Amino acid sequence: ILNVEQSPQSLHVQEGDSTNFTCSFPSSNFYALHWYRWETAKSPEALFVMTLNGDEKKKGRISATLNTKEGYSYLYIKGSQPEDSATYLCAPRGSSNTGKLIFGQGTTLQVKP
Amino acid sequence: NAGVTQTPKFQVLKTGQSMTLQCAQDMNHEYMSWYRQDPGMGLRLIHYSVGAGITDQGEVPNGYNVSRSTTEDFPLRLLSAAPSQTSVYFCASSHRRDMNTEAFFGQGTRLTVV
Repeated sequence: ILNVEQSPQSLHVQEGDSTNFTCSFPSSNFYALHWYRWETAKSPEALFVMTLNGDEKKKGRISATLNTKEGYSYLYIKGSQPEDSATYLCAPRGSSNTGKLIFGQGTTLQVKP
Repeated sequence: NAGVTQTPKFQVLKTGQSMTLQCAQDMNHEYMSWYRQDPGMGLRLIHYSVGAGITDQGEVPNGYNVSRSTTEDFPLRLLSAAPSQTSVYFCASSHRRDMNTEAFFGQGTRLTVV
């Protein structure tokens, strides 16, 4: 079972602030790292799937980086907006021939207008 | 597009009752899984399947049974419900061998055991 740690557990920021979260995972048996955005009363939705060391992905104001050698990924949100309020989950994939994902406990972001 | 469909959306059970949570996907995904979500604990993997006829245990399998007779369906059975199984349950599916593929989630089933 993979040990996945996310920090911080929760975060409160003002509208317009930039913020970042961390996902730590075992660097051995790494195949991919997923980030999901999960709004209250909805289903988790994929933000990024990252597979290569040094990979950097961007979607609007949200971006993510990946370091597979040291086992961490950062998620950045530039100029947070109230609609960014959600729980952000990361999940490493530790197997090449299944889709098995083990999730961290998530970082809950609250953006105040 | 239907994607991943879970039923029911809400359910209240009495302790000791049994029930089946249904999950169906129409994307021809080989991999399907069940998670439970509890406050402060993210999503914990209950059981998963890599294809019809193949299932395996996840992080928290006790009290739950699964089977996979078709590619499309992956039901989760609670044989004797306990209050500790009060939770929100999510079904997810994805392609098995595509390393760049994301998982797709159903809308969730909120289960209360009294």
